[in-house]
Amino acid sequence: QVQLVESGGGVVQPGRSLRLSCAASGFIFSTYGMHWVRQAPGKGLEWVAVIWSDGNNKYYTDSVKGRFTVSRDNSKNTLYLQMNSLRAEDTAVYFCAREESGGHEFDYWGQGTLVTVSS
Amino acid sequence: QSVLTQPPSVSGAPGQRVTISCTGSSSNIGAGYNVHWYQQLPGTAPKLLIYGDNNRPSGVPDRFSGSKSGTSASLAITGLQAEDEADYYCQSYDNSLSGSSRYVFGTGTKVTVL
Repeated sequence: QVQLVESGGGVVQPGRSLRLSCAASGFIFSTYGMHWVRQAPGKGLEWVAVIWSDGNNKYYTDSVKGRFTVSRDNSKNTLYLQMNSLRAEDTAVYFCAREESGGHEFDYWGQGTLVTVSS
Repeated sequence: QSVLTQPPSVSGAPGQRVTISCTGSSSNIGAGYNVHWYQQLPGTAPKLLIYGDNNRPSGVPDRFSGSKSGTSASLAITGLQAEDEADYYCQSYDNSLSGSSRYVFGTGTKVTVL
């Protein structure tokens, strides 16, 4: 069965960095686009970034451009999100999600990992 | 800021029918992009409920249905049950050059079963 397991969250000071990981299993990871979606405490869902299956195309929401980098290692079935220059407003649960090919929908989600940016 | 607008809350008694609207624009729903719906139970990850405007993944009860017209979409829940109490989000794709997001979510709607 499809499984996505995030890790790497925690408490970090403003301006510092953090790297999230998402370990995938139960499907051919290298054939799917993968996303990061976040949810601030008590708020709605916000799309953060996508990386296409081959890793050659990446897109970000404006608020993280230049600070966050999405990457993947298809040999390790793992998705990453490198977050630099973190701000208080980046505090959220970060979910990784799989995009069903061509449909733009997220058919499987991880359980999420909490990132808290605070001094 | 969300590009798709939903009512903050809807409620209904068990067995009733409730609908949730999702209003977009010509750069997303109105451009013909599919609308998808997610259910998020408290403290859990979102779950795909409806994809491609009106299709249910395996295992989703047929009490849930989706529709789309113009720049809006709707989710209907018939025969409302206590376990349907959750947050619901619509989602689509946006091709606006000035937009900050390619994949867009609705503002979210809390469904309360009275």
